[in-house]
Amino acid sequence: AQSVTQLGSHVSVSEGALVLLRCNYSSSVPPYLFWYVQYPNQGLQLLLKYTSAATLVKGINGFEAEFKKSETSFHLTKPSAHMSDAAEYFCAVRTNTGFQKLVFGTGTRLLVSP
Amino acid sequence: DTAVSQTPKYLVTQMGNDKSIKCEQNLGHDTMYWYKQDSKKFLKIMFSYNNKELIINETVPNRFSPKSPDKAHLNLHINSLELGDSAVYFCASSLHTGAQETQYFGPGTRLLVL
Repeated sequence: AQSVTQLGSHVSVSEGALVLLRCNYSSSVPPYLFWYVQYPNQGLQLLLKYTSAATLVKGINGFEAEFKKSETSFHLTKPSAHMSDAAEYFCAVRTNTGFQKLVFGTGTRLLVSP
Repeated sequence: DTAVSQTPKYLVTQMGNDKSIKCEQNLGHDTMYWYKQDSKKFLKIMFSYNNKELIINETVPNRFSPKSPDKAHLNLHINSLELGDSAVYFCASSLHTGAQETQYFGPGTRLLVL
């Protein structure tokens, strides 16, 4: 069964600094990978997804992620953090084997300080 | 127009009561989901319906009963509520069942069982 591991339950950065949120996946078949963002008291919103086309995926709000099969990673980055990026970020994986569910990581809270 | 809507937004009730949460999507999708997010923000799928047919039924107590009267609606009824049912419940939808498809989430229903 597929799974994802998010390293670091909390990540703190200063405004303007690089954001790096880590996600490693485990899957015996080619995965589809997603990053979702959850702002306080709201639902989840898709940031970006990898669907086996380009390995570098660009998403909304200046975020991007690179699929690295050799490292089984799909880390999320943003060159310059903004205060409005403070939120909970979830990595998720799904595969095409039968009808598989979307499996979420435990989430990483991004804190942005002025 | 809200794409995926849930009612109520907040639900406070006593142990042993029965309650329902409603979900509607106006995206024309044929697949809908219920997720539970616990106090540690962990998200896990409970049920999924495709064209009103149940396709995913995770290990959920049978006190939880989903109902899909049509493709645009997926309701969740909970009998004999317990303290451990306190959580945020999210409804989501996707165009079809494909693994690469984006799931669109509602704003959540915050259930507190006293």
